[in-house]
Amino acid sequence: GAGVSQSPRYKVAKRGQDVALRCDPISGHVSLFWYQQALGQGPEFLTYFQNEAQLDKSGLPSDRFFAERPEGSVSTLKIQRTQQEDSAVYLCASSIGLATNEEQFFGPGTRLTVL
Amino acid sequence: EDQVTQSPEALRLQEGESSSLNCSYTVSGLRGLFWYRQDPGKGPEFLFTLYSAGEEKEKERLKATLTKKESFLHITAPKPEDSATYLCAVQTGNTGKLIFGQGTTLQVKP
Repeated sequence: GAGVSQSPRYKVAKRGQDVALRCDPISGHVSLFWYQQALGQGPEFLTYFQNEAQLDKSGLPSDRFFAERPEGSVSTLKIQRTQQEDSAVYLCASSIGLATNEEQFFGPGTRLTVL
Repeated sequence: EDQVTQSPEALRLQEGESSSLNCSYTVSGLRGLFWYRQDPGKGPEFLFTLYSAGEEKEKERLKATLTKKESFLHITAPKPEDSATYLCAVQTGNTGKLIFGQGTTLQVKP
Protein backbone atom coordinates (compact mmCIF):
# COMPACT_ATOMS: atom_id res chain seq x y z
CA GLY A 1 0.00 0.00 0.00
CA ALA A 2 0.99 3.63 -0.29
CA GLY A 3 3.19 5.04 2.40
CA VAL A 4 3.94 8.62 3.32
CA SER A 5 5.01 10.65 0.31
CA GLN A 6 6.80 13.98 0.19
CA SER A 7 7.48 16.43 -2.60
CA PRO A 8 9.69 17.71 -3.91
CA ARG A 9 12.41 15.22 -2.98
CA TYR A 10 15.09 17.85 -3.55
CA LYS A 11 14.84 21.63 -3.42
CA VAL A 12 17.55 24.21 -4.02
CA ALA A 13 16.74 27.74 -2.97
CA LYS A 14 18.65 30.97 -3.00
CA ARG A 15 18.97 32.68 0.36
CA GLY A 16 15.92 34.83 0.94
CA GLN A 17 13.54 32.78 -1.19
CA ASP A 18 10.36 31.23 0.19
CA VAL A 19 9.85 27.45 -0.13
CA ALA A 20 6.89 25.11 0.38
CA LEU A 21 7.31 21.43 1.18
CA ARG A 22 4.41 19.00 0.81
CA CYS A 23 3.55 15.88 2.78
CA ASP A 24 0.89 13.31 1.86
CA PRO A 25 0.36 11.08 4.90
CA ILE A 26 -1.06 7.58 4.86
CA SER A 27 -4.76 7.85 4.14
CA GLY A 28 -6.84 8.02 7.30
CA HIS A 29 -3.96 8.76 9.63
CA VAL A 30 -4.98 11.21 12.31
CA SER A 31 -1.56 12.41 13.48
CA LEU A 32 1.08 14.14 11.38
CA PHE A 33 4.56 15.28 12.40
CA TRP A 34 7.32 17.33 10.79
CA TYR A 35 10.96 16.78 11.74
CA GLN A 36 14.19 18.44 10.62
CA GLN A 37 17.29 16.29 10.17
CA ALA A 38 20.71 17.93 9.81
CA LEU A 39 23.53 15.97 8.20
CA GLY A 40 24.82 13.27 10.54
CA GLN A 41 22.22 13.99 13.22
CA GLY A 42 18.98 12.46 14.36
CA PRO A 43 15.67 14.06 13.40
CA GLU A 44 14.46 17.00 15.51
CA PHE A 45 10.78 17.63 16.13
CA LEU A 46 9.23 20.70 14.51
CA THR A 47 5.46 20.47 14.82
CA TYR A 48 2.49 18.11 15.34
CA PHE A 49 -1.04 18.02 13.91
CA GLN A 50 -4.01 16.02 15.09
CA ASN A 51 -6.35 16.13 12.09
CA GLU A 52 -6.37 19.82 11.10
CA ALA A 53 -5.44 21.13 14.54
CA GLN A 54 -1.84 22.12 15.16
CA LEU A 55 -1.41 20.99 18.76
CA ASP A 56 2.33 21.49 19.19
CA LYS A 57 4.58 23.87 17.31
CA SER A 58 7.23 24.16 19.98
CA GLY A 59 10.01 22.89 17.70
CA LEU A 60 9.64 25.48 14.94
CA PRO A 61 12.96 27.36 15.03
CA SER A 62 11.65 30.80 14.12
CA ASP A 63 8.59 32.66 12.88
CA ARG A 64 9.88 32.10 9.35
CA PHE A 65 8.60 28.52 9.64
CA PHE A 66 4.90 27.88 9.19
CA ALA A 67 2.96 24.62 8.81
CA GLU A 68 -0.64 23.89 7.94
CA ARG A 69 -2.95 20.94 7.42
CA PRO A 70 -6.24 22.64 6.49
CA GLU A 71 -8.35 19.56 5.68
CA GLY A 72 -6.71 17.11 8.04
CA SER A 73 -4.83 15.21 5.34
CA VAL A 74 -2.12 16.86 3.21
CA SER A 75 0.26 19.14 5.07
CA THR A 76 2.55 21.91 3.87
CA LEU A 77 5.64 23.23 5.64
CA LYS A 78 6.52 26.72 4.48
CA ILE A 79 9.81 28.46 5.13
CA GLN A 80 10.00 32.16 4.41
CA ARG A 81 13.18 34.08 3.62
CA THR A 82 15.32 30.94 3.70
CA GLN A 83 18.73 31.07 5.37
CA GLN A 84 21.73 28.79 4.92
CA GLU A 85 21.13 27.26 8.34
CA ASP A 86 17.77 25.99 7.05
CA SER A 87 19.60 23.48 4.83
CA ALA A 88 18.55 20.04 6.04
CA VAL A 89 16.30 17.09 5.26
CA TYR A 90 12.71 17.72 6.25
CA LEU A 91 10.86 14.54 7.24
CA CYS A 92 7.15 14.05 7.55
CA ALA A 93 5.64 11.21 9.59
CA SER A 94 2.11 10.05 10.27
CA SER A 95 0.46 7.72 12.75
CA ILE A 96 -2.95 6.12 12.70
CA GLY A 97 -4.39 7.50 15.93
CA LEU A 98 -3.49 10.01 18.59
CA ALA A 99 0.21 9.21 18.30
CA THR A 100 1.03 8.33 21.89
CA ASN A 101 2.76 4.92 21.96
CA GLU A 102 2.12 4.47 18.24
CA GLU A 103 4.52 3.74 15.45
CA GLN A 104 5.20 6.74 13.25
CA PHE A 105 5.58 6.06 9.53
CA PHE A 106 8.11 8.32 7.86
CA GLY A 107 8.29 9.64 4.35
CA PRO A 108 11.52 9.80 2.34
CA GLY A 109 12.11 13.44 3.18
CA THR A 110 12.77 16.61 1.22
CA ARG A 111 16.42 17.64 1.06
CA LEU A 112 16.56 21.46 1.13
CA THR A 113 19.77 23.22 0.13
CA VAL A 114 19.94 26.98 0.60
CA LEU A 115 22.70 28.69 -1.37
CA GLU B 1 15.62 18.60 29.78
CA ASP B 2 14.86 15.31 28.01
CA GLN B 3 17.97 13.89 26.36
CA VAL B 4 18.95 10.83 24.33
CA THR B 5 22.56 9.79 23.69
CA GLN B 6 23.64 6.94 21.44
CA SER B 7 26.99 5.17 21.38
CA PRO B 8 29.11 4.45 19.56
CA GLU B 9 28.62 7.01 16.77
CA ALA B 10 29.99 4.51 14.24
CA LEU B 11 30.59 0.78 14.35
CA ARG B 12 32.33 -1.48 11.88
CA LEU B 13 31.77 -5.22 12.13
CA GLN B 14 32.75 -8.25 10.12
CA GLU B 15 29.89 -10.38 8.89
CA GLY B 16 28.89 -12.72 11.73
CA GLU B 17 30.50 -10.58 14.45
CA SER B 18 27.81 -9.87 17.06
CA SER B 19 27.69 -6.57 18.95
CA SER B 20 25.42 -4.11 20.76
CA LEU B 21 24.39 -0.50 20.28
CA ASN B 22 23.61 1.66 23.30
CA CYS B 23 20.95 4.30 23.85
CA SER B 24 21.06 6.22 27.14
CA TYR B 25 18.20 8.53 28.06
CA THR B 26 17.18 11.02 30.71
CA VAL B 27 13.51 11.96 30.53
CA SER B 28 10.88 13.28 32.88
CA GLY B 29 8.38 10.55 32.08
CA LEU B 30 9.00 7.83 29.53
CA ARG B 31 5.97 6.71 27.54
CA GLY B 32 7.90 4.60 25.07
CA LEU B 33 11.33 4.02 23.57
CA PHE B 34 11.53 3.48 19.82
CA TRP B 35 14.22 2.01 17.57
CA TYR B 36 14.32 2.95 13.90
CA ARG B 37 16.60 1.99 11.03
CA GLN B 38 17.54 4.60 8.42
CA ASP B 39 19.16 3.83 5.07
CA PRO B 40 20.92 6.61 3.11
CA GLY B 41 18.47 8.89 1.33
CA LYS B 42 15.44 7.34 3.02
CA GLY B 43 13.23 8.08 5.98
CA PRO B 44 13.49 6.12 9.24
CA GLU B 45 11.88 2.68 9.25
CA PHE B 46 10.27 1.43 12.47
CA LEU B 47 11.84 -1.55 14.24
CA PHE B 48 10.61 -1.76 17.86
CA THR B 49 8.80 -0.01 20.67
CA LEU B 50 9.62 -0.77 24.32
CA TYR B 51 7.45 0.54 27.14
CA SER B 52 8.82 -0.65 30.48
CA ALA B 53 12.08 -1.74 32.10
CA GLY B 54 12.78 -5.41 31.56
CA GLU B 55 10.91 -5.60 28.28
CA GLU B 56 12.61 -7.29 25.31
CA LYS B 57 11.61 -7.57 21.64
CA GLU B 58 13.19 -9.52 18.79
CA LYS B 59 13.09 -9.38 15.02
CA GLU B 60 15.34 -11.59 12.93
CA ARG B 61 18.93 -10.80 14.00
CA LEU B 62 17.92 -7.85 16.17
CA LYS B 63 16.95 -7.82 19.83
CA ALA B 64 16.07 -4.70 21.81
CA THR B 65 16.13 -4.46 25.60
CA LEU B 66 15.18 -1.70 28.03
CA THR B 67 16.26 -0.66 31.53
CA LYS B 68 15.33 2.45 33.49
CA LYS B 69 18.26 4.40 32.06
CA GLU B 70 19.17 2.81 28.73
CA SER B 71 18.27 0.53 25.88
CA PHE B 72 20.43 -1.85 23.92
CA LEU B 73 20.04 -3.07 20.38
CA HIS B 74 21.81 -6.39 20.08
CA ILE B 75 22.78 -7.57 16.61
CA THR B 76 23.51 -11.28 16.33
CA ALA B 77 25.59 -12.59 13.43
CA PRO B 78 25.05 -9.46 11.31
CA LYS B 79 24.98 -9.50 7.53
CA PRO B 80 26.05 -6.73 5.12
CA GLU B 81 22.40 -5.84 4.55
CA ASP B 82 22.18 -4.82 8.21
CA SER B 83 24.41 -1.84 7.38
CA ALA B 84 22.44 1.33 8.16
CA THR B 85 22.07 4.08 10.75
CA TYR B 86 20.13 2.96 13.82
CA LEU B 87 18.18 5.66 15.62
CA CYS B 88 16.82 5.55 19.14
CA ALA B 89 14.00 7.88 20.21
CA VAL B 90 11.95 8.48 23.34
CA GLN B 91 8.40 9.63 23.62
CA THR B 92 7.23 11.69 26.58
CA GLY B 93 4.17 13.79 27.22
CA ASN B 94 0.89 13.57 25.36
CA THR B 95 1.63 14.82 21.86
CA GLY B 96 3.54 11.81 20.61
CA LYS B 97 6.60 13.74 19.52
CA LEU B 98 9.81 11.72 19.38
CA ILE B 99 13.14 12.91 20.78
CA PHE B 100 15.90 11.22 18.81
CA GLY B 101 19.52 10.42 19.56
CA GLN B 102 22.15 11.22 16.95
CA GLY B 103 22.24 7.64 15.68
CA THR B 104 24.80 4.86 15.34
CA THR B 105 26.05 4.15 11.83
CA LEU B 106 26.71 0.46 11.42
CA GLN B 107 28.82 -0.98 8.63
CA VAL B 108 28.99 -4.77 8.22
CA LYS B 109 31.70 -6.01 5.93
CA PRO B 110 31.48 -9.38 4.12
